[in-house]
Amino acid sequence: DTEVTQTPKHLVMGMTNKKSLKCEQHMGHRAMYWYKQKAKKPPELMFVYSYEKLSINESVPSRFSPECPNSSLLNLHLHALQPEDSALYLCASSQDYYSYEQYFGPGTRLTVT
Amino acid sequence: DAKTTQPPSMDCAEGRAANLPCNHSTISGNEYVYWYRQIHSQGPQYIIHGLKNNETNEMASLIITEDRKSSTLILPHATLRDTAVYYCIVPRIVQGAQKLVFGQGTRLTINP
Repeated sequence: DTEVTQTPKHLVMGMTNKKSLKCEQHMGHRAMYWYKQKAKKPPELMFVYSYEKLSINESVPSRFSPECPNSSLLNLHLHALQPEDSALYLCASSQDYYSYEQYFGPGTRLTVT
Repeated sequence: DAKTTQPPSMDCAEGRAANLPCNHSTISGNEYVYWYRQIHSQGPQYIIHGLKNNETNEMASLIITEDRKSSTLILPHATLRDTAVYYCIVPRIVQGAQKLVFGQGTRLTINP
């Protein structure tokens, strides 16, 4: 199984809502990542988790809160988002912190109204 | 940190070889070159990587110049499904982790 799954596929939320994005992999990977991709732009790294601990936070606003409950699961909690946060949110995993090959999920397309 | 430069777009006829160039003139001796692609509405997909020798796998070949300042990704028999944005990346080491920094990439269109 070389698949990274993400739910939901699409999400529409208001600026006062709280929602969560979910990412799951069963490849035994110990590093997991969140990326943000705006339309017609390349993906940008947000967070890196290694062995369930946050290793990198790319100065992401606190309205985005990542969580890694176990080695297979990665969540992104959203609260008080702005319309400019509308984007495709991609999750990825790799064997470990030093692996070059990352496996990406299909993404969650988020619209903030 | 090595930065990459790619043409914004390229076209290729179906069945022909697609050759995608990438310049990385500031690459250092121990930095790898990675290629990913992103098909429309999908997440990026790893293709291949290399250090100094040419590499080949089931998806593509990677040719790296002897001075390592540039490389070419070759899709030997392009199909319509190869239409995608192709990213050439030199990963950065940040806090011990390999960080992928995606540039603008090359939008490759395979024409029937």
